[in-house]
Amino acid sequence: GQNIDQPTEMTATEGAIVQINCTYQTSGFNGLFWYQQHAGEAPTFLSYNVLDGLEEKGRFSSFLSRSKGYSYLPLKELQMKDSASYLCAVRSPNKLIFGTGTRLQVFP
Amino acid sequence: DVKVTQSSRYLVKRTGEKVFLECVQDMDHENMFWYRQDPGLGLRLIYFSYDVKMKEKGDIPEGYSVSREKKERFSLILESASTNQTSMYLCASFTLAGDTDTQYFGPGTRLTVL
Repeated sequence: GQNIDQPTEMTATEGAIVQINCTYQTSGFNGLFWYQQHAGEAPTFLSYNVLDGLEEKGRFSSFLSRSKGYSYLPLKELQMKDSASYLCAVRSPNKLIFGTGTRLQVFP
Repeated sequence: DVKVTQSSRYLVKRTGEKVFLECVQDMDHENMFWYRQDPGLGLRLIYFSYDVKMKEKGDIPEGYSVSREKKERFSLILESASTNQTSMYLCASFTLAGDTDTQYFGPGTRLTVL
């Protein structure tokens, strides 16, 4: 079966650091994506991992462990505008399977 | 810098109507997708296409059909709209071009079926 799990909600304060986790069990794996989605808008691409380790891309890095079926998105120096849903998706084999997303609320 | 466009942002239809949702991408991508997004359920794949005139069912194809007559255009058709098809519909495209693959989404169409 195909299963992607993320926490439903997280809260944090401005300037803090959070880590959004994603675990997956899929029949194939050709990469893992992270997207950000603000309310009422379409998802926008943040980061992509196909190999193990940390993929650094400005503010939005992401880590992948294929053997553990695990990824995380570390968000540093949180800003109010980071309040959004964060979607984890696995490519398997040429379509994306999405988790239900993690809604992050950043408070002053 | 528009990449993926959808024909309508908001649409209101009546039960039983035939509904067409259009999606156009300008990146020459082979793969195009239609998703619906509902609270608590995330993004669910309805249909996808990996080439012109090719289509494959996603996870929830019932009540929908698609058409891909040209590479840049992928249409989603609701043959007879029902109230349980009220949802946000998102089109996306990407190309299998190595390790920088990125899936781009259109702005979405919020469909209400009365």
